[in-house]
Formats: sequence, structure tokens, C-alpha cells
Amino acid sequence: NAGVTQTPKFRVLKTGQSMTLLCAQDMNHEYMYWYRQDPGMGLRLIHYSVGEGTTAKGEVPDGYNVSRLKKQNFLLGLESAAPSQTSVYFCASSAQYRRVMEETQYFGPGTRLLVL
Amino acid sequence: GIQVEQSPPDLILQEGANSTLRCNFSDSVNNLQWFHQNPWGQLINLFYIPSGTKQNGRLSATTVATERYSLLYISSSQTTDSGVYFCAVGYGGATNKLIFGTGTLLAVQP
Repeated sequence: NAGVTQTPKFRVLKTGQSMTLLCAQDMNHEYMYWYRQDPGMGLRLIHYSVGEGTTAKGEVPDGYNVSRLKKQNFLLGLESAAPSQTSVYFCASSAQYRRVMEETQYFGPGTRLLVL
Repeated sequence: GIQVEQSPPDLILQEGANSTLRCNFSDSVNNLQWFHQNPWGQLINLFYIPSGTKQNGRLSATTVATERYSLLYISSSQTTDSGVYFCAVGYGGATNKLIFGTGTLLAVQP
């Protein structure tokens, strides 16, 4: 099992450009999440999904869109990148509590994004 | 919203020393996880511990949900324990959203 993987690992964008970050998990998890981590801070939730075809906003959703067309994939889009979106982006997944009685979230390796 | 505070913010240890990291949270939560973020940025699951005590090798954790705190114990520290330790609390019922604390930066010196 690869667990949670993220593509790309690193990207530089110019202000106003768009891009999509891809998250994939092979653990058959129902729930998936996108977080961002800024220097010296903990992670903050951007968007999440509780199943294929569903998405919902987290703490800091502005400027981002997401899609979950397949259970194993969760995409994070930046339509018009801004310097304030320079950050490290982490994807995570977890199983449904009622299925496994534990809600451990497993994290990908992160994507470093620099917006100039 | 729920507030998660970790202490101390920074900690320097000599190899072989023991330490206790604390996580306080302001409201009832569904669960609690401890993570280690290594110097390469990878987040490593340490414990899923909504209540009670768990041990894994030199690490152990205790959560007292009724008093809204959790402790992470590191014994006989090694240089590979260096990094940032985060606690994160789960809220939002079945959606299991996490709120992270700001972390404890641990440096273990040889």
C-alpha cells in the first residue's frame, strides 16, 4: 500500500495562474481532507469530503475549490493563485468511524507551493 | 470554535532525557491524535487517543477527556525524536474534522 500520495511535490506559480493538486489514497477510505500549513503554525482545514461526489468547506476555504469524482482521489484547485496561498498543502484520509471504530487520519507527504 | 493549546512551545533535550508535552483543549471533542512532523515535513501518526493511556515503545500518551487535556511522554529521547509534535482534536461528529495545536518544537542534542 502506498497510503496517501500527493502530486506534485513542489510547484512555483505566478500570481493569477491556476493549478490543481492531486491526492490519491489506496486504503478505501471514505473521508478525505485538504489542509494547509503556514510557517510556525499547525494545519488548518481547507475543504473535506465524506464520500465520492461530496465536498464541504473547512476553516479556510476561500480561494480554493475541490472535487471528489472518484473515491480514491481528492483534487484541490486554485483558480487564480495569490501570494497568500504560498504554503505547504497536506492531504489526509480516514475511514468511517462506524466501520472501523477509529478515526485516525493518515497524511500524505505534502505539496510545497510558492506563489510569486 | 475549539481552541487547542500546546506547551511548551520549544524544548531542548540532551539525548537520553525524558520529557512531557501537554495539549489542552477548550471543549468536548470526538477524538484526539498526536503527530510527529519530522525535519523533512512528513506527518507521522503517533497515537489515536480519545481517552485513556496508550504506549508504543519509548512513547506513551494519556488523554483525560473530562478535564480536556492530553499528555505525550517521550522517554530516553534520541536525536531522531527531533521535530515538531502536534496534537489535533476531532470535532464535527461523523465528519471527523481536525483542529491542530501550534505544536511543540523538540530538539534533541547528542
